[in-house]
Amino acid sequence: EAQVTQNPRYLITVTGKKLTVTCSQNMNHEYMSWYRQDPGLGLRQIYYSMNVEVTDKGDVPEGYKVSRKEKRNFPLILESPSPNQTSLYFCASSSGSGGGQPQHFGDGTRLSIL
Amino acid sequence: AQKITQTQPGMFVQEKEAVTLDCTYDTSDPSYGLFWYKQPSSGEMIFLIYQGSYDQQNATEGRYSLNFQKARKSANLVISASQLGDSAMYFCAMREGRSNYQLIWGAGTKLIIKP
Repeated sequence: EAQVTQNPRYLITVTGKKLTVTCSQNMNHEYMSWYRQDPGLGLRQIYYSMNVEVTDKGDVPEGYKVSRKEKRNFPLILESPSPNQTSLYFCASSSGSGGGQPQHFGDGTRLSIL
Repeated sequence: AQKITQTQPGMFVQEKEAVTLDCTYDTSDPSYGLFWYKQPSSGEMIFLIYQGSYDQQNATEGRYSLNFQKARKSANLVISASQLGDSAMYFCAMREGRSNYQLIWGAGTKLIIKP
């Protein structure tokens, strides 16, 4: 089954404790992206990657890191999480053909930083 | 300036009625695309429908259709014969440029279908 898998689905942690949210896709997609969703703000892009070893900042990259060492994986790293990073996070992937190809989303990771 | 505007934060609609969710956009790129996604209370994002700027006809997918008015820069989602399962958040998103995969998102509309 074609899917984007995020882990964990839920995480409660404390300020300053490094965490990683994993994202994996099995569709051989070139493009992957991380978003955060906050009430009233829609989805805001954190980082994206056009291919292996190619990453770039989105609209709200501060406090986050990513890497793309393999095509299928695109982990999101919070080196020193803070309460303002409490949010719902989505990983998405898309094929390289642009156009009308939709982005496929993971089920989301609900992160609470205390 | 907002590139994607969804003016209806919330809507209540009677079951079986048709629903129109508004989306206006702003771009100077002649090549762009508009997407609609549904987010039920369970949280996942579900792709519904796509309209390209050069598409001659309005997109349709089952009960979903897109009322695309290019001159007015609007791309409203129409849901015919609404069902209780249509209750969800709905997001409009835009891709600018032919090969740019990044999406710009609206703030969403919360739709509640009343029995």
